[in-house]
Formats: sequence, C-alpha cells, structure tokens
Amino acid sequence: DIQMTQSPSTLSASVGDRVTITCRASQFISIWLAWFQQKPGQAPKLLIYKASSLESGVPSRFSGSGSGTEFTLTISSLQPDDVATYYCQQYNNYPYTFGQGTKLEIK
Amino acid sequence: EVRLVQSGAEVKKTGESLQISCKGSGYGFTTSWIGWVRQTPGKGLEWMGIIYPGDSDSKYSPSFQGRVTLLVDKSLGTAYLHWSSLEASDTAMYFCARLVGNWYNAYYYYYADVWGEGTSVTVSS
Repeated sequence: DIQMTQSPSTLSASVGDRVTITCRASQFISIWLAWFQQKPGQAPKLLIYKASSLESGVPSRFSGSGSGTEFTLTISSLQPDDVATYYCQQYNNYPYTFGQGTKLEIK
Repeated sequence: EVRLVQSGAEVKKTGESLQISCKGSGYGFTTSWIGWVRQTPGKGLEWMGIIYPGDSDSKYSPSFQGRVTLLVDKSLGTAYLHWSSLEASDTAMYFCARLVGNWYNAYYYYYADVWGEGTSVTVSS
C-alpha cells in the first residue's frame, strides 16, 4: 500500500494567516490526490481533487499544488470556520490511502 | 442534490452479525462506485472497499478482505456493509462515499465527492 505522510500533525495559526499543510506519498502518484476537511462529529468534506482542482462550493482561499510525491494544501487567509482536521488521500492505486491528518487550530 | 443517507448507530455483542446501509439519491445510483471508510482514533481513516452498484463488482482492501462483505440493492438504491461475526476491534465510525472519476490515459481515477453522515458501531463482549 502507498503510505501518505502529512506534516505537521498539529498547527496553530492566527486568523488571516497563510497556512500550508504538506503531504508526501511513499511512491509516485502523479496528480491523483484529494484533500478533505473534517470537523468534529461530521463526515469528511472534499476540498481539492486532482491535486489542484477546487471542488464546487469550496471557498477560493483553499488551494492545492504538487505532483509526483509532494503536495501542499494552502489556506490563503485563515478564517475561524477553518478549524478542523485536514486529510490528504491518494487515489492513484487501490487501496486508496489517507494521511494521518493535520489538526488546525486558531491561536 | 446528491445525498447519501446512512442507517443509525448500532450497539452489538461480539460474534453477532450486522448490516449497515447507505441510501443514495439525487444521481444515477447504478452508475457511480460507492466506497466504505472506517474511522478510528487509533488508525484514522481507512478505505475498506468499493462496490459498483450496476453489476455489484467489488474490490476489498487487503486489511478488510474476508472480514466484511459489500452488497447493493439496486431497486432500493442502497449499499450495505455486512459483518457475519463482529469483533470488538470493529468498534468505529463507518462512512459511505460516492466515487466519481477523472478520465486520463484510458483509465478512470476515482475520488470521493459526497459522503454519508456516518454510522457509529460499538461492539462489546
């Protein structure tokens, strides 16, 4: 199975900050990566697919980049509603695999 | 609106059987793969398997092969996750999700765009 490693595991930032989360794949996955946001008690919500495509309805402050084995999720200006855990997930090979998550908090 | 609605929380004993459900609406149920994901505090999010409602073709992740069965009832627009004998380690939150595909180089790459709300399963002895 492909291992997905996220960093950092936890992140504390101020409202308005630019925030970046990194995801690394243990082998080449091209652009077949998705990012999800999960708030407590809720299901994961798709933010980004195909590494950099923004899902319909997701605020434009979210963006994704990368290819191959290194990927990033960026929030251009952190908002209070962005408090959540963020997961990357590869869909290049089955079984699909998730990163361990990055918990984002407001300072 | 595309929706996946899951069945309610379950509390069971070890060795019992269980089937939880995921009903799709607002799209062509038979033309999109449905996947199941387990979430636990210890192991995070894990893909269990995927099933194509059109012909019940299914793929299981190695960790779950033989432990669960994926089923569909096309007439009801519903997918099911079935255990024949529960273990305490099956205690978790379970999500279903619709998969949509990116077509590239004669191959589809599938990602989950819509998720059910989750079903909590608690198994005790």
